[in-house]
Amino acid sequence: GQSLEQPSEVTAVEGAIVQINCTYQTSGFYGLSWYQQHDGGAPTFLSYNALDGLEETGRFSSFLSRSDSYGYLLLQELQMKDSASYFCAVRNNFNKFYFGSGTKLNVKP
Amino acid sequence: ETGVTQTPRHLVMGMTNKKSLKCEQHLGHNAMYWYKQSAKKPLELMFVYSLEERVENNSVPSRFSPECPNSSHLFLHLHTLQPEDSALYLCASSHSLTGTGSAEQYFGPGTRLTVT
Repeated sequence: GQSLEQPSEVTAVEGAIVQINCTYQTSGFYGLSWYQQHDGGAPTFLSYNALDGLEETGRFSSFLSRSDSYGYLLLQELQMKDSASYFCAVRNNFNKFYFGSGTKLNVKP
Repeated sequence: ETGVTQTPRHLVMGMTNKKSLKCEQHLGHNAMYWYKQSAKKPLELMFVYSLEERVENNSVPSRFSPECPNSSHLFLHLHTLQPEDSALYLCASSHSLTGTGSAEQYFGPGTRLTVT
């Protein structure tokens, strides 16, 4: 079957670094994406990893290990505006996209 | 208008009503998607259209009927819904689904549907 696991909630302080993990199970894996969704807003794309390793985009980085079926999103220099839900999502070769349940990130002053 | 728009933003309907949700994208994409987002549950992919052809139907009940008249417009026709269908319905679009790329999806703001 298909499944994605990520923590339901994480709390961190402004300026800190936080890592949100995602483990997945799927067949025909293409890649792992990350999306951010603020309360009342639409999900917005953050990153995509198809190959093993770290992808960096400004304060956000995403990592993938295909052999471990594992990835993470790393947020550095946290800001209050980073408080949101973060979803990992896998794409497979059957035109299917599966999303995790989301991790609610609370950034405290 | 830019990005992905959805109308209406809020909808309350009875179980015997028929209504339609509309999605429009102004990004030049050729793939469009319908998702259902319920509280405390993952986003559920309902339908995928690529080049106006349905390429994925995720075992969605027949009371939900999609329509994609062209690459910029997507509809979700609703009839005889159940209270458990109350949720946020999100539309998204992306570039082509060919290849192994991210198919980075751009989401609309969603329609908050309440079935009474």
